[in-house]
Amino acid sequence: GAVVSQHPSWVICKSGTSVKIECRSLDFQATTMFWYRQFPKQSLMLMATSNEGSKATYEQGVEKDKFLINHASLTLSTLTVTSAHPEDSSFYICSASYRGRFSEAFFGQGTRLTVV
Amino acid sequence: AQKITQTQPGMFVQEKEAVTLDCTYDTSDPSYGLFWYKQPSSGEMIFLIYQGSYDQQNATEGRYSLNFQKARKSANLVISASQLGDSAMYFCAMREGSGFQGAQKLVFGQGTRLTINP
Repeated sequence: GAVVSQHPSWVICKSGTSVKIECRSLDFQATTMFWYRQFPKQSLMLMATSNEGSKATYEQGVEKDKFLINHASLTLSTLTVTSAHPEDSSFYICSASYRGRFSEAFFGQGTRLTVV
Repeated sequence: AQKITQTQPGMFVQEKEAVTLDCTYDTSDPSYGLFWYKQPSSGEMIFLIYQGSYDQQNATEGRYSLNFQKARKSANLVISASQLGDSAMYFCAMREGSGFQGAQKLVFGQGTRLTINP
């Protein structure tokens, strides 16, 4: 299957600072990428849909100014958590897919963010 | 609105036994796709199996099979001959629309934690 690489795998940052998470599709072009958030022992919740060359579409309740998404190329989307607070600590995971029968989502490895 | 329900928070199974993980869904779109993912403690999401709403036969992938009952709106995952390495969280997910329409978001169920006992 297709490979999606997410970096970093884990990060610890201080309250008030910003953290950038990268999501790359390594062997295919992904016009659309998705960003999910997962709290411990809970399911994945979609935060936003990232489209190459256009503004991201955020799910209801997700703060656009706090979670900045940029999809500058067909292989890279970034999520920046701005002015991070301890409640932003979570597991963030991206996915990408391409047009096709399965259109399955290929997931990155995820990023565990801890804000102290 | 689409909805996915997994009613089993946890399952405990003896090694080598078969196990069925339940998943029901709700959608008004006649075209949709159903997925099962495995999430080990490392956090990565591993794609297991896919079933399209118009597929006539149940999907199978090695030890994994999907018991698709369209009228009941259920898509249960069956793992045959379970192994210790199968211990993980399992998520059922649904995508509305055809995959050929382009990337569509997935909606996930709450997950089932499967533990395989030796």
